Amino acid sequence: GAGVSQSPRYKVAKRGQDVALRCDPISGHVSLFWYQQALGQGPEFLTYFQNEAQLDKSGLPSDRFFAERPEGSVSTLKIQRTQQEDSAVYLCASSFIRREGLAGAGELFFGEGSRLTVL
Amino acid sequence: GNSVTQMEGPVTLSEEAFLTINCTYTATGYPSLFWYVQYPGEGLQLLLKATKADDKGSNKGFEATYRKETTSFHLEKGSVQVSDSAVYFCAPLIKAAGNKLTFGGGTRVLVKP
Repeated sequence: GAGVSQSPRYKVAKRGQDVALRCDPISGHVSLFWYQQALGQGPEFLTYFQNEAQLDKSGLPSDRFFAERPEGSVSTLKIQRTQQEDSAVYLCASSFIRREGLAGAGELFFGEGSRLTVL
Repeated sequence: GNSVTQMEGPVTLSEEAFLTINCTYTATGYPSLFWYVQYPGEGLQLLLKATKADDKGSNKGFEATYRKETTSFHLEKGSVQVSDSAVYFCAPLIKAAGNKLTFGGGTRVLVKP
């Protein structure tokens, strides 16, 4: 498809389980972002990739969260030993623009998100 | 620190009413400013943007003007439609924070026929 694709759309996990969320960005997009959106809140930044390089992971809430983009295209966000506070919608966004102040920075294309519920 | 404040919803309007959603931000420097919209069942999408003081962004009948003096970027539409029912997010792009979009909490708008 032409847009950002995320899977699974819905995931229910028992506390302590590991989960993996996949993002397939728009072909050719250099930049890829992960955001976490709690119910009724705005998205919160988690991490940023430029091609395969993870240039910013300052928003990852703990070392249980890990993201990768090994070939500069598809990205996976992994959450180990899930906790109830991890319940949220995880959003992936991509852009053809690098993050560093170029015209068009901030114009992101978002997927529909993966809703994680931890019981 | 850097932050963005937007009016809380939900905002309920009748069709053809005037809509304003207030947004103010705190940031060092002059960030680019964005409004994103999330329609029911869809992903976030860019609605409009402004990159420097006094710029006006516009799209789909919506407008917002970059007000440096008041650090605001209020969203307005003169005559809303039922199809404008959505959640609207104000988002400055703050260079000092590594060029991250910093989203407000969102304002849910419901337009009734």
